[in-house]
Amino acid sequence: DVKVTQSSRYLVKRTGEKVFLECVQDMDHENMFWYRQDPGLGLRLIYFSYDVKMKEKGDIPEGYSVSREKKERFSLILESASTNQTSMYLCASTLGGARRADTQYFGPGTRLTVL
Amino acid sequence: AQSVAQPEDQVNVAEGNPLTVKCTYSVSGNPYLFWYVQYPNRGLQFLLKYITGDNLVKGSYGFEAEFNKSQTSFHLKKPSALVSDSALYFCAVRDLGKINKFYFGSGTKLNVKP
Repeated sequence: DVKVTQSSRYLVKRTGEKVFLECVQDMDHENMFWYRQDPGLGLRLIYFSYDVKMKEKGDIPEGYSVSREKKERFSLILESASTNQTSMYLCASTLGGARRADTQYFGPGTRLTVL
Repeated sequence: AQSVAQPEDQVNVAEGNPLTVKCTYSVSGNPYLFWYVQYPNRGLQFLLKYITGDNLVKGSYGFEAEFNKSQTSFHLKKPSALVSDSALYFCAVRDLGKINKFYFGSGTKLNVKP
């Protein structure tokens, strides 16, 4: 079974702090994703990575950056946290390539509160 | 552009009764459709997907979904609901142009009462 882990389940930070959220997958997947989940809005894609050091902006990249130095690890960075970034953050991965039937595998999520 | 709609924020059903969670989609071309379930404070878990072939897809935990091309729907169903099915359900469609883009519905909260 694919396992996607996230570094923290719950995180509380102060406005202006730099925040790192880490995600690790253990199945050699090429693609990794960061979403945020807010009630009534479903999942919104922040960033996507299809290879080491490669990234693409999603629908809501403002205020976020990402890093993928190793294939198994994808980090989301909030350069200067703000209260409107309080949310549930979900990491996901897929096998990759041109497989349109790919299933996304999700981590357990990190609930971030910015005070 | 691809999109997914889940018209019901919440569905209430009694244990033992059949359940349906609705999903409609808008895509150009043949859709790749998915259902995921999310239990409280957890990530999303894959339930089932439609790629091609039989319109009735069977998935995990006794769930199934019916693909209806003429109505552009992909409703999730279960013949007999369990209290443990209570969770948040998401429908998703994969973008056919940008292969790594998924579009998610807003989610439907399923409440199964004993």
